[in-house]
Amino acid sequence: EAQVTQNPRYLITVTGKKLTVTCSQNMNHEYMSWYRQDPGLGLRQIYYSMNVEVTDKGDVPEGYKVSRKEKRNFPLILESPSPNQTSLYFCASSSPAGLSYNEQFFGPGTRLTVL
Amino acid sequence: QKEVEQNSGPLSVPEGAIASLNCTYSDRGSQSFFWYRQYSGKSPELIMSIYSNGDKEDGRFTAQLNKASQYVSLLIRDSQPSDSATYLCLRGKQGGSEKLVFGKGTKLTVNP
Repeated sequence: EAQVTQNPRYLITVTGKKLTVTCSQNMNHEYMSWYRQDPGLGLRQIYYSMNVEVTDKGDVPEGYKVSRKEKRNFPLILESPSPNQTSLYFCASSSPAGLSYNEQFFGPGTRLTVL
Repeated sequence: QKEVEQNSGPLSVPEGAIASLNCTYSDRGSQSFFWYRQYSGKSPELIMSIYSNGDKEDGRFTAQLNKASQYVSLLIRDSQPSDSATYLCLRGKQGGSEKLVFGKGTKLTVNP
């Protein structure tokens, strides 16, 4: 089954404790992306990756890191989480086939709470 | 001006009516637009994509793109209670940027 998986689905942590949210896709997609979703602010892109070893900032990259060492995986790293990073996070992937490039497939989401 | 703007609503329509959702964008170079539906607590799912001026129909859904006026809309005919969700407008990549930008979404409620 074609899918994007994220782990963990729910996480409660404390300020300053490094964490990683994993994202994996089995569709051989080149483009992968991380979003955060907050009430009243919609979905905002954090980072995206065009392919292995190619990443770039989205609209809200501060406080986050990413890496793309393998095509299927795109982990999101919070080196020192803060309460303002409490949010719902989505990973998404798509294949850059012309303009259909942006028909993204979303993972199930990770709800993160930073105390 | 925000890159992609949507009326946050909420928008409420009776069952069987036409629901009209609108999105405006600031960059005239934008080429591709997508409408996603998101149920509460779930992931966004793609409904329609549109790249050319005019209308594109798929079942009860019609997407409209007007590049001169810089707006894109989604019409839902014969609205059903199951259409109650938040609808997100996405502006695809443009120019040399691979960044994607969503509107804040419009919450639609279809009343039985």
